Amino acid sequence: EPEVTQTPSHQVTQMGQEVILRCVPISNHLYFYWYRQILGQKVEFLVSFYNNEISEKSEIFDDQFSVERPDGSNFTLKIRSTKLEDSAMYFCASSPPGQGANEQFFGPGTRLTVL
Amino acid sequence: GNSVTQMEGPVTLSEEAFLTINCTYTATGYPSLFWYVQYPGEGLQLLLKATKADDKGSNKGFEATYRKETTSFHLEKGSVQVSDSAVYFCALSPLNRDDKIIFGKGTRLHILP
Repeated sequence: EPEVTQTPSHQVTQMGQEVILRCVPISNHLYFYWYRQILGQKVEFLVSFYNNEISEKSEIFDDQFSVERPDGSNFTLKIRSTKLEDSAMYFCASSPPGQGANEQFFGPGTRLTVL
Repeated sequence: GNSVTQMEGPVTLSEEAFLTINCTYTATGYPSLFWYVQYPGEGLQLLLKATKADDKGSNKGFEATYRKETTSFHLEKGSVQVSDSAVYFCALSPLNRDDKIIFGKGTRLHILP
């Protein structure tokens, strides 16, 4: 069964460094998302992406963040100048074309630790 | 605005007990409703969903009914197993095609053998 994959599973970085989190959505999906989950808290929406542009972004998704679909299969989240409070689990999701509920398929997540 | 409220955890039950995790929502329009589950060390998995009023979603013995009159989507299971231990998230999505999913805070469930 096709699934969303994410790499790396765990990323450790120093404060102020840039990180790129990678996701490979399910191949026929058209809508892509990033969410984050700070330890012990709820899952929060960051950004949605469709047709090579951002559809919606949350207040969290400021100029520090950017997304890209560089090659038609990968979907990346770049975090510039990381801060301690960026430490979280980051989930990628994708959803297929067509009618019906907005069912999103989530990847296993990347745990980002900022030291 | 749109929001989801679910019961605080942790919830601890013995194996074979009956489970209810309450969830209520606030939304404009007619959202789709979901329960996601997160097993220890893993990502989010869709457990079940319902897209309109009175729909019942079901999977792996879990059920939830979309109640528009009470704006609720409570999760139930008649007989829980140790393997059901996880964090359960109630969530909604407005009807637009590419809208974000809005999650509740999650309820941690511990099942004792």
